[in-house]
Amino acid sequence: DTAVSQTPKYLVTQMGNDKSIKCEQNLGHDTMYWYKQDSKKFLKIMFSYNNKELIINETVPNRFSPKSPDKAHLNLHINSLELGDSAVYFCASSQEPTRQYFGPGTRLTVT
Amino acid sequence: KNEVEQSPQNLTAQEGEFITINCSYSVGISALHWLQQHPGGGIVSLFMLSSGKKKHGRLIATINIQEKHSSLHITASHPRDSAVYICAAGGDYGGSQGNLIFGKGTKLSVKP
Repeated sequence: DTAVSQTPKYLVTQMGNDKSIKCEQNLGHDTMYWYKQDSKKFLKIMFSYNNKELIINETVPNRFSPKSPDKAHLNLHINSLELGDSAVYFCASSQEPTRQYFGPGTRLTVT
Repeated sequence: KNEVEQSPQNLTAQEGEFITINCSYSVGISALHWLQQHPGGGIVSLFMLSSGKKKHGRLIATINIQEKHSSLHITASHPRDSAVYICAAGGDYGGSQGNLIFGKGTKLSVKP
């Protein structure tokens, strides 16, 4: 069984649209994360969230918002998509402070 | 200057060679992570360490807290080890101990 899953795997959309990427973990972890990997393959934290607190990287535009319906899910909503949002987005989870488990990534292309 | 620096950026080795990838960091950490990103894009956590040395199969990770330096070693390298290896500093950044600051990665290619 997949530990951390993301859907969709690929997402192609036009500028200005609103889209969501879903993430689910079946590991019972209490913390989930969203990372962005840019065109130069550089990874950067966007959000971390446990059942108590959302930590937002201050450089993330407020067009991005994580939503957690329950402990096993952390979805990423993006409003008014821009060309610069094109990247691969990775979800991860951990039972802090242990190692993180990564999802397969979602490649977002904004045209 | 990045908070987490890796060297080399690219590394080509012959099968069987001993490989070392270095990581230096300038931030305080609670743990240092080594990740492997496969050519297909998937990311796997290899090690998380806060002191000393860890070994898993042919992979060994070491850390020197005083020098703020970590190394990843691969013994008897194999073409299937070809991947990007990423060092990441884990600490209480912005209130969460799990937040990682990543290096830019080392692209390893092992030739048969």
